[in-house]
Amino acid sequence: EIVMTQSPATLSMSPGERATLSCRASQSVSYNLAWYQQKPGQAPRLLIYGASTRATGIPARFSGSGSGTEFTLTISSLQSEDFAVYYCQQYNNGPPMYTFGQGSKLEIK
Amino acid sequence: EVQLVESGGGLVKPGGSLRLSCAASGFTFSSYSMHWVRQAPGKGLEWVASISHTGRDFYYADSVKGRLTISRDNAKNSLFLQMNSLRAEDTAVYYCAREEIGLEYWGQGTLVTVSS
Repeated sequence: EIVMTQSPATLSMSPGERATLSCRASQSVSYNLAWYQQKPGQAPRLLIYGASTRATGIPARFSGSGSGTEFTLTISSLQSEDFAVYYCQQYNNGPPMYTFGQGSKLEIK
Repeated sequence: EVQLVESGGGLVKPGGSLRLSCAASGFTFSSYSMHWVRQAPGKGLEWVASISHTGRDFYYADSVKGRLTISRDNAKNSLFLQMNSLRAEDTAVYYCAREEIGLEYWGQGTLVTVSS
């Protein structure tokens, strides 16, 4: 079973700053990595798939990078609506298993 | 507009059963693999199960294997999750989600509470 580990658990930042969230896989998942944003009381929203491709309607300030076992989500200039919990997820093939990381909470400093 | 609407959640006693449904609209349901993902109160997301677009292939998280069964009815644009032998640790909001690359569309979830 592939284990996804996110860091940090909580990140305190101010609007306008650059935020960097990390996700590590216990074994290679190639580029099969997605990032989601979740706000309280809402369903998750897909931000990034294929490690670096923004989903439809996602602002350009969100970017993803990495491959294999190390991945990063960067928010270039934090807006008030970006403070939320972020999850990475691997979608390995053969057989398909979709494992989430434990989440990183981005809070206002 | 893509819509996924879950139903069937509620309060059930340990060892009991429940059947969740997810009604899909706004897209060709039979063309997409579908998933169930759950979230315990105050906790993170946990992938539960997935089913291929034909319904012939399905996969489960180890934590639910043998107790939860995913199925679909493409004629009725519906996804199901049959939940048997429920435990307290199954208490969660259950989301259905459509797969494309990643899970792009999600329902709003239905709450299942397992408690005596």
